[in-house]
Amino acid sequence: QQQVKQSPQSLIVQKGGISIINCAYENTAFDYFPWYQQFPGKGPALLIAIRPDVSEKKEGRFTISFNKSAKQFSLHIMDSQPGDSATYFCAASITGNQFYFGTGTSLTVIP
Amino acid sequence: DAGVTQSPTHLIKTRGQHVTLRCSPISGHKSVSWYQQVLGQGPQFIFQYYEKEERGRGNFPDRFSARQFPNYSSELNVNALLLGDSALYLCASAAFAGQNYGYTFGSGTRLTVV
Repeated sequence: QQQVKQSPQSLIVQKGGISIINCAYENTAFDYFPWYQQFPGKGPALLIAIRPDVSEKKEGRFTISFNKSAKQFSLHIMDSQPGDSATYFCAASITGNQFYFGTGTSLTVIP
Repeated sequence: DAGVTQSPTHLIKTRGQHVTLRCSPISGHKSVSWYQQVLGQGPQFIFQYYEKEERGRGNFPDRFSARQFPNYSSELNVNALLLGDSALYLCASAAFAGQNYGYTFGSGTRLTVV
């Protein structure tokens, strides 16, 4: 059973556009929701994270929007750049004991 | 500072064989977690160790085992390899267990079972 559901599976965006990736969860005990970026041949790298008592968090061009009542959260990448082309994973955890990852979104930013 | 170091980077094994994967955490980190990432999927939790004690175990068969050494490095062992064990095995370290933040992943070991 997939604890965290992620969509879309793949995404193609023009340079300068906005990339949006969505995730949904069921377990209301989750208390931490990170997003990871993974390049081929590398491990996932933490991009940005949010706790459920906050509705939005912004770091540079990256924003997480969190809807606790809907049990959904999303990643927005503003002014998308070719260097952002990578696979993005949402995840959720309960006090870091283990992370449940989504299935990933392959983002391609076209110059 | 060195990041999380995993060895080997690539490995090819035959069905039925045994494999040992190694992880050196970031200096000062006492928690090590192992994840399996099958191609095209997100990482799946296998084990978490903290201060040489197993703190968590995912839904993996008993063929998978791990341990953590006094220097906080860790080994993941897989016995009786199956074709389905082919994956990228990731190690993540953190200063402590039971915290959400501060996990750093290594680049992984790519295991191919033929």
